Amino acid sequence: NAGVTQTPKFRVLKTGQSMTLLCAQDMNHEYMYWYRQDPGMGLRLIHYSVGEGTTAKGEVPDGYNVSRLKKQNFLLGLESAAPSQTSVYFCASSRPDRATNYGYTFGSGTRLTVV
Amino acid sequence: QQQVKQSPQSLIVQKGGIPIINCAYENTAFDYFPWYQQFPGKGPALLIAIRPDVSEKKEGRFTISFNKSAKQFSLHIMDSQPGDSATYFCAAIRSGGSNYKLTFGKGTLLTVNP
Repeated sequence: NAGVTQTPKFRVLKTGQSMTLLCAQDMNHEYMYWYRQDPGMGLRLIHYSVGEGTTAKGEVPDGYNVSRLKKQNFLLGLESAAPSQTSVYFCASSRPDRATNYGYTFGSGTRLTVV
Repeated sequence: QQQVKQSPQSLIVQKGGIPIINCAYENTAFDYFPWYQQFPGKGPALLIAIRPDVSEKKEGRFTISFNKSAKQFSLHIMDSQPGDSATYFCAAIRSGGSNYKLTFGKGTLLTVNP
């Protein structure tokens, strides 16, 4: 049982380049999320999805796009990377009920550096 | 608007000490309050959670205390160990909401010295 898998784990981009971060979960969770984590800022929600084919903006969506074409996958895209997007990105999934303790399952993160 | 305020930002204790991390929330619609533990290089993991109909919950050495009238809750770690060194996040959610988003505090970096 892999849980939530993020690829790649590390990436260095040049300013203006694009890339896609992939998140895959094997728990049949409806809800998926993308967060970024920066020192002193905690976890900030970028985008989220409440089911296949749906996406919604979170707290810091600018500069990012997402897609949820399949229930198990949630993709985060950076169209034109900027140094301000240097961060650690976490994907999470959840099934909101008492059985899961309303908990999120997080991936191990992608460390992105934009130079 | 930061709906969950967490303090302190960092905390250093000696082995065996009892670190306390505090959180305060504003939205009275929140009805579920989990804590997450994150080790370096890893994603956060659910540690313990509480509903506001109880004032305290214990799981092993970890205890959540909840004060509904003050809109505050806290995490206590009994007999802390160096292996407890991690970042801890409090969170809150309205479980009956339609979009099911956790609101996180900014985290507390805990260091337990041997």
